[in-house]
Amino acid sequence: DAKTTQPTSMDCAEGRAANLPCNHSTISGNEYVYWYRQIHSQGPQYIIHGLKNNETNEMASLIITEDRKSSTLILPHATLRDTAVYYCIVRGGPFGNEKLTFGTGTRLTIIP
Amino acid sequence: NAGVTQTPKFQVLKTGQSMTLQCAQDMNHEYMSWYRQDPGMGLRLIHYSVGAGITDQGEVPNGYNVSRSTTEDFPLRLLSAAPSQTSVYFCASRQGRRNEKLFFGSGTQLSVL
Repeated sequence: DAKTTQPTSMDCAEGRAANLPCNHSTISGNEYVYWYRQIHSQGPQYIIHGLKNNETNEMASLIITEDRKSSTLILPHATLRDTAVYYCIVRGGPFGNEKLTFGTGTRLTIIP
Repeated sequence: NAGVTQTPKFQVLKTGQSMTLQCAQDMNHEYMSWYRQDPGMGLRLIHYSVGAGITDQGEVPNGYNVSRSTTEDFPLRLLSAAPSQTSVYFCASRQGRRNEKLFFGSGTQLSVL
């Protein structure tokens, strides 16, 4: 699986959009980009994933660059409950193996 | 629908003791996996299973055994606990190949003295 690089920490004002970047320059053609988050000491929670098209769901939007070497997770209206560690993961597609590896992620703090 | 259930939530062991961390899911998921999370680090994969009777090693399998006799259960066994195994353990599961959402349990905090 391709390695990802994320900033260690970020702050965002409550009510503003939080934009979390991720670099994955060694991504291969069949690898998806996944985002999970972990609030305090809870188990990680799935947010969104995509291959090459931008994706949106009820939680967030995922913007993947045309060359697929980087992506951005967007939380459109951040709330205090969005304070968490966010993990960007790249792995094989739906038929890939299960060796999903989490890095150290980005610690996002939402400021009142 | 309970999702992924882990027991116990907390456990203290002495060095050399053995124990089993339990993980059960009620979503009929084919894939199940175990991760450990150490302070300041991400999650590291210990073992995983793609179905009943099939298991494989992850990134850090040494000192741990798993088995998958049923679809629902995926216990993690510590054979002889060591202080280096002090960690938070998470179990996760997902459906078959076309659904990539991993569902995580709430974790087991293990301390080995």
